Amino acid sequence: EAGVVQSPRYKIIEKKQPVAFWCNPISGHNTLYWYRQNLGQGPELLIRYENEEAVDDSQLPKDRFSAERLKGVDSTLKIQPAELGDSAVYLCASSGGGGSRNEQFFGPGTRLTVL
Amino acid sequence: AQSVTQLDSHVSVSEGTPVLLRCNYSSSYSPSLFWYVQHPNKGLQLLLKYTSAATLVKGINGFEAEFKKSETSFHLTKPSAHMSDAAEYFCVVSLTDSWGKLQFGAGTQVVVTP
Repeated sequence: EAGVVQSPRYKIIEKKQPVAFWCNPISGHNTLYWYRQNLGQGPELLIRYENEEAVDDSQLPKDRFSAERLKGVDSTLKIQPAELGDSAVYLCASSGGGGSRNEQFFGPGTRLTVL
Repeated sequence: AQSVTQLDSHVSVSEGTPVLLRCNYSSSYSPSLFWYVQHPNKGLQLLLKYTSAATLVKGINGFEAEFKKSETSFHLTKPSAHMSDAAEYFCVVSLTDSWGKLQFGAGTQVVVTP
């Protein structure tokens, strides 16, 4: 079974440019998460989706970040415009419902460098 | 509020010797606790989880952790380190007892020397 897929794996952009990250969760997982991991720190949740609905986006900087999960499967996270402080690894995770809700499966991440 | 503290940012062990990674948590209710491992350029992988069943939890690759409520600890151990254990390890607490909102510790980098 394929795991969580993310692309691109690496992205280098100049500040003020837009950037987008894509995530394909494990088949059948209704819950999808986006995390940001700064260097030397643990991941921090940005947004959580239950199917196509964003049910927790309290940590998403909405002035420049946006996300969507059309049709409740793939998801895209966008930053526009990017700032130097956005350099980090962006992780996508997914989980099934019910008793397995707490077990999240993570993708390899997209490492963003903003110059 | 729930939080987790990893007491060591770096741990260096010799191959074949025991590994101990320390984690303390704070929670206003009985928490769910996890250990995840992150190898370079790889996704986070769940090692083990505690969800109010047995206090000694066995995970993959020979790792285990013991939940000690009196000490609010959830330390990760392995009897004999292998070179492949070199990675970053994260202690994680679930912030709610409903859905899986996770609070990650800052991580412990493990170095294994021959």
